[in-house]
Amino acid sequence: KQEVTQIPAALSVPEGENLVLNCSFTDSAIYNLQWFRQDPGKGLTSLLLIQSSQREQTSGRLNASLDKSSGRSTLYIAASQPGDSATYLCAPKNSGGSNYKLTFGKGTLLTVNP
Amino acid sequence: ETGVTQTPRHLVMGMTNKKSLKCEQHLGHNAMYWYKQSAKKPLELMFVYNFKEQTENNSVPSRFSPECPNSSHLFLHLHTLQPEDSALYLCASSQDPGLAFDEQFFGPGTRLTVL
Repeated sequence: KQEVTQIPAALSVPEGENLVLNCSFTDSAIYNLQWFRQDPGKGLTSLLLIQSSQREQTSGRLNASLDKSSGRSTLYIAASQPGDSATYLCAPKNSGGSNYKLTFGKGTLLTVNP
Repeated sequence: ETGVTQTPRHLVMGMTNKKSLKCEQHLGHNAMYWYKQSAKKPLELMFVYNFKEQTENNSVPSRFSPECPNSSHLFLHLHTLQPEDSALYLCASSQDPGLAFDEQFFGPGTRLTVL
């Protein structure tokens, strides 16, 4: 059974700082991994998807890396802004028989202070 | 409407009520999902439908009954719920779960409170 751990659980930084969020997973037999952000009481917004054959993906100020063999992914946020404040979730996708499931971590709550 | 929509956004119900949650996706996807998000817990997958067929029931109690009449619509029928069922219920859709580049897109959720 896949288990996902996100460290740190919470992070507070001043505006403009570069930061790294960490995600580790126990089952390395994944198809892909998605990073999401969730604002309080809202749904999830997909940020990046990395396929199992890829090492990294970039979108704007976001860069996600994947080391499948070691069961790790990181999300790098450059030049952080107050609008980046949210909970960030990582979710690897595994095959469960005929199904393909995302398993979520508890997330990292990011606060960017002006 | 674009993306994935959910109605209602908020719902308060008694334990003896029957209500339904609705999800609609405007992305042309073939798979739809129900997730439950309780306070302090990770998102839990409840049900998966792929091409209108239920392919996953993650040991969900029978007081939750999903319905997928077509690839664009997904319902979650609720009856005789318990207070511990209070949570944010999220719907998602994707093109094809078996593809390596398959990306799930989520709706805004329904905040359910069971009294």
